Amino acid sequence: GNSVTQMEGPVTLSEEAFLTINCTYTATGYPSLFWYVQYPGEGLQLLLKATKADDKGSNKGFEATYRKETTSFHLEKGSVQVSDSAVYFCALSDSAGGTSYGKLTFGQGTILTVHP
Amino acid sequence: SQTIHQWPATLVQPVGSPLSLECTVEGTSNPNLYWYRQAAGRGLQLLFYSVGIGQISSEVPQNLSASRPQDRQFILSSKKLLLSDSGFYLCAWSSTSEQYFGPGTRLTVT
Repeated sequence: GNSVTQMEGPVTLSEEAFLTINCTYTATGYPSLFWYVQYPGEGLQLLLKATKADDKGSNKGFEATYRKETTSFHLEKGSVQVSDSAVYFCALSDSAGGTSYGKLTFGQGTILTVHP
Repeated sequence: SQTIHQWPATLVQPVGSPLSLECTVEGTSNPNLYWYRQAAGRGLQLLFYSVGIGQISSEVPQNLSASRPQDRQFILSSKKLLLSDSGFYLCAWSSTSEQYFGPGTRLTVT
């Protein structure tokens, strides 16, 4: 079955530091990959996505590249801000397989705290 | 544009009481709909999904049930709540591969 593994958290950084949150996956076929962000007390928001190998998703200064050879989709940001403090979820969808009904498989989430 | 609503936003219920959480989607038709639970400090667990009116699939055996009486309405229910039902309940919809989430309902069972 499909699975997503994220780096253990929590992650604590100072403002303007470089961020990497590792994500690796196991899937049959050719999944689409996503990063979602959850701010305190809120639902999840789609941060970025990539639908095929070597695609780079980007949004709000965050980037992630779909690496099929290493089955990874690591999230990076060059300079984090206090407002980036949130929980980040890596997820995959194998809806291209036809029978998964768009279901997502999520990682366990990584808590990021950024201090001034 | 599409929007998704959940209510109530917060709920405190005693053990053994019934539950009804509602989710509605606007601006799209025939979406796939999903209910997730997020326990404190943990990831997301898919509870139910639906690909059409009256079509419900359960992902995990539990004390909860779901119904889809209308195309854009998804309801999560329980006849008797357990302490372990406490958590943050999220509804989501999709039309392609990505999902869009509602604001969530914080349920505390006392």
